Amino acid sequence: EAGVTQFPSHSVIEKGQTVTLRCDPISGHDNLYWYRRVMGKEIKFLLHFVKESKQDESGMPNNRFLAERTGGTYSTLKVQPAELEDSGVYFCASSQAGGSYGYTFGSGTRLTVV
Amino acid sequence: TQLLEQSPQFLSIQEGENLTVYCNSSSVFSSLQWYRQEPGEGPVLLVTVVTGGEVKKLKRLTFQFGDARKDSSLHITAAQPGDTGLYLCAGVGGSNYKLTFGKGTLLTVNP
Repeated sequence: EAGVTQFPSHSVIEKGQTVTLRCDPISGHDNLYWYRRVMGKEIKFLLHFVKESKQDESGMPNNRFLAERTGGTYSTLKVQPAELEDSGVYFCASSQAGGSYGYTFGSGTRLTVV
Repeated sequence: TQLLEQSPQFLSIQEGENLTVYCNSSSVFSSLQWYRQEPGEGPVLLVTVVTGGEVKKLKRLTFQFGDARKDSSLHITAAQPGDTGLYLCAGVGGSNYKLTFGKGTLLTVNP
């Protein structure tokens, strides 16, 4: 089966610009998560979708971040306007059974805000 | 806020040596997962331990979950250069099974 696909793999944008990250989960996986790793820190939870519904967005840093999952398939994470501290690697993960027995992660999008 | 302290942060050893990575928390997790991450890739699941005191073995890797479900360890026997990578522990908690990660252990096995 195809894995979790994320694109772009890299993005360099200027402060104040908008960037949209996309994640295509494994087909049939209802649960989709976004995580982020900033330099020197651990990977941290951002939010969780079950199908098209946001179950938990407690990890979203602020209202400059907007995540959507229309139709319960792929998801997008938009950052608008981007700030320097948004730089990091954004990972998407999906699971079939809520993640209790493991997630499949994508390769991540490395975002650099200059 | 749940935290996972992972140690050591860096480990460089010779091929054939044994090593142990530790993951500790003051919080109880419903289960704990270990991942391995290669440069430019996402974390790949190695194992999930669920029951306090549980021990799982994958070839030369032995994973243990503490009795109180607050800590875990990964032991590698006779390390090989192919074991080189970033090892991450992640506690599973909450109704949505979100992960709390440790900072990771960057392992280098020299031939």
